[in-house]
Amino acid sequence: GAGVSQSPSNKVTEKGKDVELRCDPISGHTALYWYRQSLGQGLEFLIYFQGNSAPDKSGLPSDRFSAERTGGSVSTLTIQRTQQEDSAVYLCASSAILAGAQEQYFGPGTRLTVT
Amino acid sequence: AQKITQTQPGMFVQEKEAVTLDCTYDTSDPSYGLFWYKQPSSGEMIFLIYQGSYDQQNATEGRYSLNFQKARKSANLVISASQLGDSAMYFCAMRDTGNQFYFGTGTSLTVIP
Repeated sequence: GAGVSQSPSNKVTEKGKDVELRCDPISGHTALYWYRQSLGQGLEFLIYFQGNSAPDKSGLPSDRFSAERTGGSVSTLTIQRTQQEDSAVYLCASSAILAGAQEQYFGPGTRLTVT
Repeated sequence: AQKITQTQPGMFVQEKEAVTLDCTYDTSDPSYGLFWYKQPSSGEMIFLIYQGSYDQQNATEGRYSLNFQKARKSANLVISASQLGDSAMYFCAMRDTGNQFYFGTGTSLTVIP
């Protein structure tokens, strides 16, 4: 079946502009995560959605970042008034809440460059 | 507080040899899961192996095994018979009871021919 997809794959934007990053999780996966990975660094947790529960926004670095998940499926991460330090790869992952491994399946990421 | 610690920023191993990548974790949850992911230079994150906190035996998946020492809170990844294609970043991760994931800073593995 289809894996996690993300769009766009690459995004170049000017400082101060808003951007929207999209994630389509694996069908049936109730958990969805957003991470940020700067060049050569580990994964920085941003936000976590689980079913219809209120999202865990504890990782969002500032109020310029927001995310929503419509209908328990597709998610959009929005960065307002982008700054150069927002340049990174944004990874989305989904997971099924079942017994067993419940590993995360990652999308290919969106590479954001703020000029 | 850092939940996952990977103390080896970079490791080298000779082709066909075994290598151990270290990972320690910190949690007070009685139930948790431990994961290893591989990230090649192409950037995708590839799930390798999983260990549940209640699992009695160490997990194995082909050439990958997880050396789980619960009392020491360590979950080291062992790669046997290293191949050139194993060169990549390796991330250790933990899932807590709230299904939140925590990732380490990663270890860069280079396999030398």
